[in-house]
Amino acid sequence: ETGVTQTPRHLVMGMTNKKSLKCEQHLGHNAMYWYKQSAKKPLELMFVYNFKEQTENNSVPSRFSPECPNSSHLFLHLHTLQPEDSALYLCASSQDRGHYEQYFGPGTRLTVT
Amino acid sequence: DAKTTQPTSMDCAEGRAANLPCNHSTISGNEYVYWYRQIHSQGPQYIIHGLKNNETNEMASLIITEDRKSSTLILPHATLRDTAVYYCIVRAFLSGNTPLVFGKGTRLSVIA
Repeated sequence: ETGVTQTPRHLVMGMTNKKSLKCEQHLGHNAMYWYKQSAKKPLELMFVYNFKEQTENNSVPSRFSPECPNSSHLFLHLHTLQPEDSALYLCASSQDRGHYEQYFGPGTRLTVT
Repeated sequence: DAKTTQPTSMDCAEGRAANLPCNHSTISGNEYVYWYRQIHSQGPQYIIHGLKNNETNEMASLIITEDRKSSTLILPHATLRDTAVYYCIVRAFLSGNTPLVFGKGTRLSVIA
């Protein structure tokens, strides 16, 4: 166990649905991240939050909407997704944005039908 | 941030040491070398990091050459559960640069 949990572990949704991914870290960290991993592609950084403030948005489409209500929780709200958005979505945390010792959750396997 | 080069894949016999190389010839003086691995269908796992001295923890050892242009991650007694993709990443600590970017890594296969 890494101290980072993600729910749900698996999600199947239609293109017109709205769903949310949840991440929680129990490590007392101040930075949290969302990554996307598509089949046979390198890990892609999506969003970074440091002390609840968004510091990175790597040109992610607006159908992905992050929310960080506090340093321990991170959400990814999904709406009107496309089939190509099917991927493993990983959450990670670190002491703060400048610390690169990151701890990852198990991921949510998302399938968009 | 310095670019890293790793072999695409490697095999290792179970119980033997796995030595994974990484070249980072353009590394700057304030940049650390980080190693992560990702077992199939799981999130990446932090392994170890170092600046210039060799480092060891319960998972692995990191050997950095004196000129810091390359490093080797050593898994002393590889097991089947060490089969994974291993990523070598160079970043300056507390620099405020963009966070970790994972490249293609080395796919290590531990064979019984």
